[in-house]
This record gives sequence, structure tokens and C-alpha cells, in this order.
Amino acid sequence: GAVVSQHPSWVICKSGTSVKIECRSLDFQATTMFWYRQFPKQSLMLMATSNEGSKATYEQGVEKDKFLINHASLTLSTLTVTSAHPEDSSFYICSARGGVGIQYFGAGTRLSVL
Amino acid sequence: DAKTTQPNSMESNEEEPVHLPCNHSTISGTDYIHWYRQLPSQGPEYVIHGLTSNVNNRMASLAIAEDRKSSTLILHRATLRDAAVYYCILRDGPGGKLIFGQGTELSVKP
Repeated sequence: GAVVSQHPSWVICKSGTSVKIECRSLDFQATTMFWYRQFPKQSLMLMATSNEGSKATYEQGVEKDKFLINHASLTLSTLTVTSAHPEDSSFYICSARGGVGIQYFGAGTRLSVL
Repeated sequence: DAKTTQPNSMESNEEEPVHLPCNHSTISGTDYIHWYRQLPSQGPEYVIHGLTSNVNNRMASLAIAEDRKSSTLILHRATLRDAAVYYCILRDGPGGKLIFGQGTELSVKP
């Protein structure tokens, strides 16, 4: 099956710093990628949809200036959490849409903000 | 987005079949039924999807009711590695978004 690589898998940062998370589709091209976040014992919440070469579409309630998304190529999307605070600590998961509309997910990035 | 209803949790014995139900009474004609699963501390994994007809793949089978208001994911022989949260999701066509509900937490006993 198609592989989506997400990096880093774990990051710890100080409050006020920015963190960048990368999401790559390794063996297919993805014009559309998605970013989710997940708090402990909860389901995934869609944050935004990113389309290659255009601005991301954010879900209601997600701050676009805080969660910067760039999808500059058909195999790479990045999520930057700007000025991170402890409440941003979460599990961030990306996915890429492959053929027949199936979404392939990365392994996730656990962000801990001190 | 049309809503799905799943039991919060289910238990199964190893090497026995498992039937995971999903109700979606407000499904529209263009909604595809998708199933994903998430193992602890990992990203979700695609399991199977269908529109109207029953579907089989190497992982599971998907049985869709004739009126499409419910479906059942069938794992033919559960293994310990099948313990996960299973999500039943309706997607409006191949271009639609995947919106996750609470899912069913499946535990498998040896």
C-alpha cells in the first residue's frame, strides 16, 4: 500500500517557539493532504485540507495564523505550529489522498510544549 | 456530513469472527462507506470501503444493507493485532473529507 512518512515522530519544545512537522507521500503523488489533531482518549479532529500550490482550507475554529500549512509539492506538506503553548500539546497526524479517494495516514507526531 | 453511530466498545476472542456494526440512517446516495482503524499511538489505517455492494479484501469484508442505512465490518478471524479503534465514516464521493466519529474500541482476548 501507499506510504506516508511523517517527521518528527516526537518533539518537545519550549513555550513560545515554533515547530515544523513534515508529511511526505513516498510512493505516490498527492494533490490533497489533510492535517488532524488528536487529544488523549478522543477521536481525530480535522484541522485543515491542503491542496498543492494553493492556500489551505481550515476547519471552523482552527486558527490559520497559528497553524501554518504549506503544500509546495505533490509529495510534501508541512504544518508549522507558531508560538506554541502548552495547550497546543497534542498528537498531530497527516494524511494524503491517493487513488480512489483512499486516505493514507502518517504515523503521527506527538508534540509536547513545556 | 452524514453521521454514523457505532458501539463504544466490543470484545472478541482470538481466531473468532468479529462483526462490527455501523448505523448511518441519514446516508445520501453519493456517500461512500469507509472503514479505518487506529492502533494505539499510530495513525489510522485504511481497512475497506464501499458504495452499495458488499466488498471483500485481504483485511476484511464489508456488508452493506440493501437500504444502505447500516453496514457491518467483518473480520473473519480476529488476531491480537486487530485490537484497535475502528471508525466507520461516510464520505461524500472520492473528493469528500474524512470526518472521524468516536469509533468502536475492539479488544481481542487470547
